Amino acid sequence: QQPVQSPQAVILREGEDAVINCSSSKALYSVHWYRQKHGEAPVFLMILLKGGEQKGHDKISASFNEKKQQSSLYLTASQLSYSGTYFCGTGQSNSGNTPLVFGKGTRLSVIA
Amino acid sequence: GAGVSQSPSNKVTEKGKDVELRCDPISGHTALYWYRQSLGQGLEFLIYFQGNSAPDKSGLPSDRFSAERTGGSVSTLTIQRTQQEDSAVYLCASSFWSGGTGELFFGEGSRLTVL
Repeated sequence: QQPVQSPQAVILREGEDAVINCSSSKALYSVHWYRQKHGEAPVFLMILLKGGEQKGHDKISASFNEKKQQSSLYLTASQLSYSGTYFCGTGQSNSGNTPLVFGKGTRLSVIA
Repeated sequence: GAGVSQSPSNKVTEKGKDVELRCDPISGHTALYWYRQSLGQGLEFLIYFQGNSAPDKSGLPSDRFSAERTGGSVSTLTIQRTQQEDSAVYLCASSFWSGGTGELFFGEGSRLTVL
């Protein structure tokens, strides 16, 4: 039930792009993306719902392929502030009876 | 406050003792989640509340763990006879929307250390 994230870790230089993938063995209704900086609580980035559109703000965007049960987070022209651990969370329905389950995270380090 | 509040922020206890961790969600949020995060690890799902009921308790690691939510608001996670492997940060999150369809707001967590 736990989604699988890849890669586990990535190091970028400022200005480079990155893609983080999230896949599930179950049919999905929603995919969330969060970023957690060291010693802080996870912070919401965006949510993608079944039948919805690709989301994005600033230089961070995400896609959701319902048929493949996969989502990808795209970080373009990375900045030092993008460093942190990125988690995808997946929900299987909108019934109110299923929880949001997170992957193990992808550690992103942006260096100057 | 406007955010999710957790207490205590830090708890050091001896093996075998019981501990209670408290979560005050954002007012009006019907969904409440507990997750556990061990050092450098991901967010391990423990339990989910929709209102006062817990549709999914599948993540609780053992029968030493229990949780309740009263009045559709405050939740308490209780760990009985604590073990060293229980040491972790316990995160609470709440959401206005149920079933993972809306943004989760996380508290700062309760760091539990079992000696």
